[in-house]
Amino acid sequence: KAGVTQTPRYLIKTRGQQVTLSCSPISGHRSVSWYQQTPGQGLQFLFEYFSETQRNKGNFPGRFSGRQFSNSRSEMNVSTLELGDSALYLCASSPVGRVTDEKLFFGSGTQLSVL
Amino acid sequence: AQSVTQLGSHVSVSEGALVLLRCNYSSSVPPYLFWYVQYPNQGLQLLLKYTSAATLVKGINGFEAEFKKSETSFHLTKPSAHMSDAAEYFCAVSDTSVSGYSTLTFGKGTMLLVSP
Repeated sequence: KAGVTQTPRYLIKTRGQQVTLSCSPISGHRSVSWYQQTPGQGLQFLFEYFSETQRNKGNFPGRFSGRQFSNSRSEMNVSTLELGDSALYLCASSPVGRVTDEKLFFGSGTQLSVL
Repeated sequence: AQSVTQLGSHVSVSEGALVLLRCNYSSSVPPYLFWYVQYPNQGLQLLLKYTSAATLVKGINGFEAEFKKSETSFHLTKPSAHMSDAAEYFCAVSDTSVSGYSTLTFGKGTMLLVSP
């Protein structure tokens, strides 16, 4: 079974641009969560999607958005990039998003650098 | 909201020595607690989780963690470190939002360095 696939692996953007990151979950998984990882803050929850609906949202500005398609693939978008958005963005999938009962499977992440 | 504190951003041990990574949590309800490991250039992998069935939880790769309610701790241990254990370790607690769905709240991580 293929794991969680995130593309691209690396991205370099300049301030003010926007960026779209992609995540393909494990086949059959309907829940996709996104996390931002930085050296100073660790992992911070961005949002979770289940069956094309955003079910949970972390404490990030509206510049961060996402969506999920009918095949469970998910994208996240960051508009008007700031230097502080430089981070590793991780996505995780699970069957239905019950974190207390299910195992989260993480992708290798997209490393975003904002210059 | 629940929170997790990991003491020590870096821990160094010699190969064969005891590994002890500390995690304290803050939770208003009985918590579900997790330890994840991240190897370089990879995503996170679940090491073990506590779900109230037993206070001593055994995980993969010889790691275990003990839930101590009185100390609000969930420290991760391994009797004998191996070079391959060098990685970043994250403690996490389940957190239920106003929407009623749970997410994971992670600590800031502890980098384990293993020297020969």
